[in-house]
Amino acid sequence: QTVVTQEPSLAVSPGGTVTLTCACSTGAVTSGYYPIWFQQKPGQTPRALIYSTSNRHSWTPARFSGSLLGGKAALTLSGVQPEDEAEYYCLLNYGGVWVFGGGTKLTVL
Amino acid sequence: QVQLVQSGAEVKKPGASVKVSCKASGYSFTNYGISWVRQAPGQGLEWVAWITAYNGDTRYAQKLQGRVTVTTDTSTSTAYMELRSLGSDDTAVYYCARDWNYVIDYWGQGTLVTVSS
Repeated sequence: QTVVTQEPSLAVSPGGTVTLTCACSTGAVTSGYYPIWFQQKPGQTPRALIYSTSNRHSWTPARFSGSLLGGKAALTLSGVQPEDEAEYYCLLNYGGVWVFGGGTKLTVL
Repeated sequence: QVQLVQSGAEVKKPGASVKVSCKASGYSFTNYGISWVRQAPGQGLEWVAWITAYNGDTRYAQKLQGRVTVTTDTSTSTAYMELRSLGSDDTAVYYCARDWNYVIDYWGQGTLVTVSS
């Protein structure tokens, strides 16, 4: 059973930069896992932010960027806004099967 | 514009089955797949299954394999997810989302399935 691990919670000040990571129990995350990142605010449907490691959707603000960092998938928020406070989930593909991480609760202090 | 509209909330007894629908519009249904994702109250997201409307190919989460079936009706651009032998831990909001070529973009509004005796 593949396990995908994210930081349970992180905090950042408005205007700051924060990096969320996504690790898998099978080893290093590579582009072949097609990492996806979602944002979910309380009571709302998840919103797709990043696909295939680093590609933004047309609606994704430029302050969100995806990458691979130290064997993990990473989501970096630069110039954090108060409205970025949310739960963030990563998703990895294992041969056609998707596995979610447990989510990171991002607090903007 | 792309829209995925799901069926309404369901209340089921333990051991029963539920079938949730997801009607797509605003794009060519047979050119894309649909993933199903669920979220138990206060919990994270859990991927359930995927189907391509192109040829009906499917993938299932190992945990639910044998209890869940996903299908499509290309004549109505509708995807379905059926979950059988329901237990209390199947209580969740079930979402459909457009999924093709490792891109998941548009989501349905979610369907609350409550399992209670």
